[in-house]
Amino acid sequence: QSVLTQPPSVSAAPGQKVTISCSGSSSNVGSNYVSWYQQFPGTAPKLLIYDNNKRPSGIPDRFSGSKSGTSATLGITGLQTGDEADYYCGTWDSSLSAGVFGGGTKLTVL
Amino acid sequence: EVQLVESGGVVVQPGGSLRLSCAASGFTFDDYTMHWVRQAPGKGLEWVSLSSWDGVRTHYADSVKGRFTISRGNSKNSLYLQMNSLRTEDTALYYCAKALPARLYGMDVWGQGTTVTVSS
Repeated sequence: QSVLTQPPSVSAAPGQKVTISCSGSSSNVGSNYVSWYQQFPGTAPKLLIYDNNKRPSGIPDRFSGSKSGTSATLGITGLQTGDEADYYCGTWDSSLSAGVFGGGTKLTVL
Repeated sequence: EVQLVESGGVVVQPGGSLRLSCAASGFTFDDYTMHWVRQAPGKGLEWVSLSSWDGVRTHYADSVKGRFTISRGNSKNSLYLQMNSLRTEDTALYYCAKALPARLYGMDVWGQGTTVTVSS
């Protein structure tokens, strides 16, 4: 059971928009920066969003992040079949003094 | 090119020990916090441990606390994970990851991982 809660799967058609939620508590999402990672099968995770809403160099602006209270959201617009992957949120938990990840969300582009 | 290369993963019996290594290149290693993250077969990411730039501050997941020890050799640009009293549930792909600048958490560079299998 992950500390952060994500939906197991989401789906949308090419060109559409999808959001992935990440729910936590006051000791993690509520008080620390959230980052988002994209992982394709058989490859290492890749940083998509950091500090709740910042994109590393090279990440297209189709990817966005936001946070409100104890929940964070990853948004992806203009969906492409190449976006099919697993997406994870992560942050620091100040009570646990440990890093925490969500259980991951599998994105299917129909 | 910024790169992390893990090594040391093998098949080990329950109760055994193992030391993973992560060789860093392309950045000033001793400027950054470093992490170990693992992924069991078919499962999600699990944070394991971190070491501050100087090795003074370390943190562990409850699942490995007291059994795993993170360390670093800044003169060798290397991160280590000593794993003792291994359990079958420690079977996973272990990733080394670099933290974002001036941050404890948030990983911007990942290695390709090394596989640890705990089995009799």
